Amino acid sequence: DTGVSQNPRHKITKRGQNVTFRCDPISEHNRLYWYRQTLGQGPEFLTYFQNEAQLEKSRLLSDRFSAERPKGSFSTLEIQRTEQGDSAMYLCASSLGTSGGDSYNEQFFGPGTRLTVL
Amino acid sequence: AQSVTQLDSHVSVSEGTPVLLRCNYSSSYSPSLFWYVQHPNKGLQLLLKYTSAATLVKGINGFEAEFKKSETSFHLTKPSAHMSDAAEYFCVVSDLDQAGTALIFGKGTTLSVSS
Repeated sequence: DTGVSQNPRHKITKRGQNVTFRCDPISEHNRLYWYRQTLGQGPEFLTYFQNEAQLEKSRLLSDRFSAERPKGSFSTLEIQRTEQGDSAMYLCASSLGTSGGDSYNEQFFGPGTRLTVL
Repeated sequence: AQSVTQLDSHVSVSEGTPVLLRCNYSSSYSPSLFWYVQHPNKGLQLLLKYTSAATLVKGINGFEAEFKKSETSFHLTKPSAHMSDAAEYFCVVSDLDQAGTALIFGKGTTLSVSS
């Protein structure tokens, strides 16, 4: 399967613990996105990368959230000092990207990581 | 700012009858609009997209949507529902503040199909 993969698929943690999720995009895609989806809502954009550069992070929910994509391939999303309100599905997507100007390329989504904070 | 409003949180149809999922958008500019579908335990899948070409857009699995600027609507339709169409559907607009890279999702419409 050459789609977007995410690990783990499920994570249960206790409040105050740190968690890290991994996303492996489609190999030729240079753009990678993170979204959060809470119950009964549509996904909410968090951040995105063009290759290894994080071009937007102001939508990360708090300074407890951080993301990296060190070699322009896989990405990690870390949540420090988790809170019960962080319980949600965290989705990763990837797309081809163009430099200079906007050109929509389809975002392909992974199956998500479901986080439960007790 | 861009936004979408899905007018129905839940739609129930019988197999073989038409499907209509309603979406209104708000955008200061000519928007790019999409419909995504989410089946249980599966990733989001693009059904169709509108990017200022033809106003009637055809997608996968027999779905289509019509962009109506005068009504600021982008409703999703299908002539005949199948059981496999039961899923969550999201109307989406591209976020121009993010050079169109980020997607803004509606709250979703759950489609139920009965036999």
